[in-house]
Amino acid sequence: DAGITQSPRHKVTETGTPVTLRCHQTENHRYMYWYRQDPGHGLRLIHYSYGVKDTDKGEVSDGYSVSRSKTEDFLLTLESATSSQTSVYFCAIKSSGAPNTEAFFGQGTRLTVV
Amino acid sequence: AQSVTQLDSQVPVFEEAPVELRCNYSSSVSVYLFWYVQYPNQGLQLLLKYLSGSTLVKGINGFEAEFNKSQTSFHLRKPSVHISDTAEYFCAVSSSDYKLSFGAGTTVTVRA
Repeated sequence: DAGITQSPRHKVTETGTPVTLRCHQTENHRYMYWYRQDPGHGLRLIHYSYGVKDTDKGEVSDGYSVSRSKTEDFLLTLESATSSQTSVYFCAIKSSGAPNTEAFFGQGTRLTVV
Repeated sequence: AQSVTQLDSQVPVFEEAPVELRCNYSSSVSVYLFWYVQYPNQGLQLLLKYLSGSTLVKGINGFEAEFNKSQTSFHLRKPSVHISDTAEYFCAVSSSDYKLSFGAGTTVTVRA
């Protein structure tokens, strides 16, 4: 298995509070991604990173921010959590940005906003 | 821009029967196609991928997929399923940017 660890694995938080999810990799891969998974929508890209301090928005980035200060860590922050952000969040890594490169996924973080 | 449509959201199938999961994509440029599987409460893992060359791609666990450029399809098949194939399956497409776009997923439930 690719060395990807997501933490926490489960979290319940209250509406309006900030939440940070962490993705840690031991593969030294340059590209890292945050997706959310919702029934009927598959996986949708929130943000991605193509290097330390280099990040960009995905298709559902509103309400989320990211940071990457080290190659191995990619943090996703919900600035003020809302019930619509209840979801399962997956981190993925790729060794290259080339489109023919396989992505490896973490085990996911189940977030519930009450 | 690219997009993926998985034509079936749920596919019930009996053990040892064949299964086909349908995937269509749209893209204005050359694409690379993937099928991922997600077992209950787990992350996604790669089943197979089409990069170039032969249009029939073989993957893990007896799965195969056929790339059809004229029909913009990448359907996944298995000739005989097992109970352990119960999972959600995602078709994904990648092109010239850094991103991987996923379909909505197909849930396969294998019954004895």
